[in-house]
Amino acid sequence: AQKITQTQPGMFVQEKEAVTLDCTYDTSDPSYGLFWYKQPSSGEMIFLIYQGSYDQQNATEGRYSLNFQKARKSANLVISASQLGDSAMYFCAMRESTGGFKTIFGAGTRLFVKA
Amino acid sequence: GAVVSQHPSWVICKSGTSVKIECRSLDFQATTMFWYRQFPKQSLMLMATSNEGSKATYEQGVEKDKFLINHASLTLSTLTVTSAHPEDSSFYICSAGISGANVLTFGAGSRLTVL
Repeated sequence: AQKITQTQPGMFVQEKEAVTLDCTYDTSDPSYGLFWYKQPSSGEMIFLIYQGSYDQQNATEGRYSLNFQKARKSANLVISASQLGDSAMYFCAMRESTGGFKTIFGAGTRLFVKA
Repeated sequence: GAVVSQHPSWVICKSGTSVKIECRSLDFQATTMFWYRQFPKQSLMLMATSNEGSKATYEQGVEKDKFLINHASLTLSTLTVTSAHPEDSSFYICSAGISGANVLTFGAGSRLTVL
């Protein structure tokens, strides 16, 4: 069964610094996708970045990058140059190829950006 | 881009009544939609997969008679919470996938409060 683990309930980062949010996963499916979503206090789910299991390079989207270590089954999110608006909940998620679009989420990490 | 509209955003009802939440894909057709439930400060828990023209697939532990899902068209899925009780109070979020794309698109969510 697929599983997503986020072990950091909360993280603090100073504005303009970089922060890494941890995510590990477990699956027996060789083909899968990994996602990070941001959820501000309004509740909406904002897609940040995607990494496919067969992608050779780590995904990057602006200030977001995904540190994908397949052998370790980790997919950490790196946010560079943190901004106050980055304060939110961050969820790591995974979708197996055999499940269609079915996506499961980790417990989430609340990020606090300090001025 | 793909937009998923969810209505209502907020709903308050009395215990014992039923509440319907609508999820619409505005500019694309969604053969599959997903319904998630999120308790305060917790992760998104997948409740069911809504399949157009067929019965929904419920996750283990989700009462299908309590949470009725109907996916009558390619752009509309509804979740009806029947005989709602205070413990059903939660944030309900729907999502849809676009064929050929990797990412789920989420609605803005519906916050249900049962008095």
